[in-house]
Amino acid sequence: AQSVTQLGSHVSVSEGALVLLRCNYSSSVPPYLFWYVQYPNQGLQLLLKYTSAATLVKGINGFEAEFKKSETSFHLTKPSAHMSDAAEYFCAVSAMNTGFQKLVFGTGTRLLVSP
Amino acid sequence: NAGVTQTPKFQVLKTGQSMTLQCAQDMNHEYMSWYRQDPGMGLRLIHYSVGAGITDQGEVPNGYNVSRSTTEDFPLRLLSAAPSQTSVYFCASSSLDYGYTFGSGTRLTVV
Repeated sequence: AQSVTQLGSHVSVSEGALVLLRCNYSSSVPPYLFWYVQYPNQGLQLLLKYTSAATLVKGINGFEAEFKKSETSFHLTKPSAHMSDAAEYFCAVSAMNTGFQKLVFGTGTRLLVSP
Repeated sequence: NAGVTQTPKFQVLKTGQSMTLQCAQDMNHEYMSWYRQDPGMGLRLIHYSVGAGITDQGEVPNGYNVSRSTTEDFPLRLLSAAPSQTSVYFCASSSLDYGYTFGSGTRLTVV
């Protein structure tokens, strides 16, 4: 079985500051890992995904995440926050041995960006 | 445009009514799934399908039925709506080669 824990339901940063959103996963088999972003009243947009190639994954909008097996983590970072990054972010896991059949999501982290 | 189409976008039901949320994909993906999103709880899997004629339960299946008679369609049926089913529902299709594609969601209110 898989599960995801996102630490911090809300994270506040100033514009230009580092963004760090934390995600820890639990999986009995090698995982696929994802980060999605959701803007208000919109659907889910894929930021990036880890599928066992490079452990440092670069995504859209300047975001990246590093898969650390020893720490069971997949934290999302961005060097400099923009006002447009304010949204809710979801980490998700899928089991590698079953492909992309289903996703297990974390509870989400709302990123607030102040001027 | 290719993708996942969900209808309706908004729906208000009375307690006890039934309805079907439609989901269709045109990418020939083998996998499809339904999620509900509630504040503070992320997205939770309701039911999923690994191919036509094959479905399975997810984390929160009670009160919902699904069927998959074709590769393209995966409707979600609410048998007798309850206020606890007020939520935003997302359908997704996926394949190992392509990853996941989500629909734009259905906002359901049960009064």
